Amino acid sequence: EIVLTQSPDFQSVTPKEKVTITCRASQHIGSSLHWYQQKPDQSPKFLIKYASQSISGVPSRFSGSGSGTDFTLTINSLEAEDAATYYCHQSSDLPATFGQGTKLEIK
Amino acid sequence: QLQLQESGSGLVRPSQTLSLTCAISGGSVSSGDYSWTWIRQPPGKGLEWIGYIYQSGRTYYNPSLKSRVTISLDRSKNQFSLKLTSVTAADTAVYYCARGDGDPRGTYFDYWGQGTPVTVSS
Repeated sequence: EIVLTQSPDFQSVTPKEKVTITCRASQHIGSSLHWYQQKPDQSPKFLIKYASQSISGVPSRFSGSGSGTDFTLTINSLEAEDAATYYCHQSSDLPATFGQGTKLEIK
Repeated sequence: QLQLQESGSGLVRPSQTLSLTCAISGGSVSSGDYSWTWIRQPPGKGLEWIGYIYQSGRTYYNPSLKSRVTISLDRSKNQFSLKLTSVTAADTAVYYCARGDGDPRGTYFDYWGQGTPVTVSS
């Protein structure tokens, strides 16, 4: 199965900062990479599809980039409500797999 | 707006069968080419894809669970279900149902239920 490794595991950031989370795939997956946000005691929320395509209703400060094996989720001008754990997910091959998650703490 | 709602037994004895249902509102299990999906999350851990089913009835399961999992559709009730046999404590998790959509580059999960916790314990 394809293994996704996110970095960092945890990051403490201040509001208005720019945040970058990376996701590395164990093999080439093209653009078959998606991002989700999970707040405490909530279900995941869909953020970005196919590495860089935006989702209706998601704030424009969230953006994605990358292809092949290396991908990035960027949050511009972080807001307090962005405190959450972020997961990447690959759909290139079954079984579908997720990264281990990156927890963002807002200082 | 599509909504998904999980229900089922919150406590299952070891070696027994876990049974959950996902009720769909604001959409139909029979429309479109969506994959109706189960995903779980053990306490304090990440997400694990269990499997999904298309309206055709075709199913895809995670190989790590394949021998114990069955996902089925009930068109008359507009819902789909999960059965996981021979459960152990390792199956304790929050179970989510979700809708899968996508193109040839693969399936993403755009709508999720709120999740239902399941504990395996005697």
